[in-house]
Amino acid sequence: GAVVSQHPSRVICKSGTSVKIECRSLDFQATTMFWYRQFPKKSLMLMATSNEGSKATYEQGVEKDKFLINHASLTLSTLTVTSAHPEDSSFYICSARTSGMRDTQYFGPGTRLTVL
Amino acid sequence: KQEVTQIPAALSVPEGENLVLNCSFTDSAIYNLQWFRQDPGKGLTSLLLIQSSQREQTSGRLNASLDKSSGRSTLYIAASQPGDSATYLCAVGANTGANSKLTFGKGITLSVRP
Repeated sequence: GAVVSQHPSRVICKSGTSVKIECRSLDFQATTMFWYRQFPKKSLMLMATSNEGSKATYEQGVEKDKFLINHASLTLSTLTVTSAHPEDSSFYICSARTSGMRDTQYFGPGTRLTVL
Repeated sequence: KQEVTQIPAALSVPEGENLVLNCSFTDSAIYNLQWFRQDPGKGLTSLLLIQSSQREQTSGRLNASLDKSSGRSTLYIAASQPGDSATYLCAVGANTGANSKLTFGKGITLSVRP
């Protein structure tokens, strides 16, 4: 149980285009989802926290107009990287948690974004 | 601001060796601490979760300890196997109300040689 999927697993796009990444909880209702970014040999950096039906809470330094997060249902959150540039190339990982499970975040397999 | 450090960044050991991975954190006011495993290009798998009131947790060949006052945790791997080769991440959970945030270290990349 507690499986989180991400789609796509990898994407290559041209500079200036927008890319949408989906994060789904397959067998539980995710009241909270987290989006992380990971650079090579670096820590996972929390970008934003989203609660179902509410606006996402962004971490300091993360541009909310650049990284649009939508958590419209209890099983789906999307991250849209708008007008992507090469510096946005990274590994994006989502995690999900249900109410009453404050301790446990279940992580997706990640999405490798490469912007040319 | 919480900072999590994992040193060394990489470690190579022969198969069968017992080993200890270290994690340190700067703010001892934590909610919990977790150890994760990450295989190349993959997501994270939770290994062990230690609540702030606990001293250690065990799962199979893995044992994690927590010393909150000194800001340290260790992950002990007994009788290491080549399949244990991966990056091990330490993450500290902050007590921020409903949304407990995780602060990650950079990880230790372990290679177990056959």
